Amino acid sequence: DADVTQTPRNRITKTGKRIMLECSQTKGHDRMYWYRQDPGLGLRLIYYSFDVKDINKGEISDGYSVSRQAQAKFSLSLESAIPNQTALYFCATSYTDTQYFGPGTRLTVL
Amino acid sequence: GEDVEQSLFLSVREGDSSVINCTYTDSSSTYLYWYKQEPGAGLQLLTYIFSNMDMKQDQRLTVLLNKKDKHLSLRIADTQTGDSAIYFCAEMSASNTGKLIFGQGTTLQVKP
Repeated sequence: DADVTQTPRNRITKTGKRIMLECSQTKGHDRMYWYRQDPGLGLRLIYYSFDVKDINKGEISDGYSVSRQAQAKFSLSLESAIPNQTALYFCATSYTDTQYFGPGTRLTVL
Repeated sequence: GEDVEQSLFLSVREGDSSVINCTYTDSSSTYLYWYKQEPGAGLQLLTYIFSNMDMKQDQRLTVLLNKKDKHLSLRIADTQTGDSAIYFCAEMSASNTGKLIFGQGTTLQVKP
């Protein structure tokens, strides 16, 4: 079984809709992260959490929110999706410095 | 600010060595990483190097770090078609927030 899972793997939605992307991990790591990947831009950090009560904004948090429901679960929400949020979204976890990534969610906003 | 730069594309023939280069700006980086992304897949950690090391070798992979020039390279010996992927260089932020700064990714094309 995969250590870091993301659901859904693919999602197509319309402008203005609310979307939630979910991430679960079985690695027992305290730290969890959400990134988005755009072609030619690498990965950019949206939000990160070092434990259940800790939430921090990354470099591109506008338009996104997160919830850390448990040590193993970290969800990303787009309250009102817009087309420039079309991207590949990755969740990652870490114990200290090295991060391990999930398989990604491809989100298309029409 | 912190920045990581990579060339976008590299093409090699099967059996040759590949060298993927990366430059970074943060001289107080603690760890530097190489991740591999195959088509339609997530990022797989390939290897990493601590900032007080110059070189790390792991089977076909050799990582070289030049701290003076802030230059990191990944050499893949005997490159195979299965090595075709996007390779990302990343550095650990010196602010110790566990934040990774990624390069844009280098697409490695291996021709038979």
